[in-house]
Amino acid sequence: RKEVEQDPGPFNVPEGATVAFNCTYSNSASQSFFWYRQDCRKEPKLLMSVYSSGNEDGRFTAQLNRASQYISLLIRDSKLSDSATYLCVVRGLNTGGFKTIFGAGTRLFVKA
Amino acid sequence: EAGVAQSPRYKIIEKRQSVAFWCNPISGHATLYWYQQILGQGPKLLIQFQNNGVVDDSQLPKDRFSAERLKGVDSTLKIQPAKLEDSAVYLCASSPNAGGAGAFFGQGTRLTVV
Repeated sequence: RKEVEQDPGPFNVPEGATVAFNCTYSNSASQSFFWYRQDCRKEPKLLMSVYSSGNEDGRFTAQLNRASQYISLLIRDSKLSDSATYLCVVRGLNTGGFKTIFGAGTRLFVKA
Repeated sequence: EAGVAQSPRYKIIEKRQSVAFWCNPISGHATLYWYQQILGQGPKLLIQFQNNGVVDDSQLPKDRFSAERLKGVDSTLKIQPAKLEDSAVYLCASSPNAGGAGAFFGQGTRLTVV
């Protein structure tokens, strides 16, 4: 089992739709969680951290379920500019220190 | 605030040649990461520094890859000798610490080995 797994893509949605991505992780000792966005041929950019109580930033809502070991990202009212790859990132303590693992990413295409 | 700087942006070399990449992290960031991203995949951590010490290099192919972070600021990643499968984007990232803060990435170096 991969340490971090994401929904396979691509997701093709119309403008205005609501779309959700899930990400599961295997290390129960994981402590920090993030969603990154990566545009084609660009570097990943931090979209938002994920907090235990869930958090919202405009149209984006992130949630963490420690019991089931997954995090989710919900995008409401999708825009064309939301088209990108969304990367789930999990950070946890190992013997050498904090280890950061990226998922393979989920591609989103928002169509007019 | 200046971001993470990387150079070169692009590099084409022949297999068995050597190549080096340079990274200057955001000022004050103690943690520096080197990632390899192959087309269609998520970034894979090669090495993580905390100041000038190595925290994690478990996925670094040490027979051909090496990295250093002298004085806990700039870092270089070297490949010697390069193989065809090393063709990828090499991303440098930094964060204030190794804990809860997200990391910020440079634009990456796109390496093509022919």
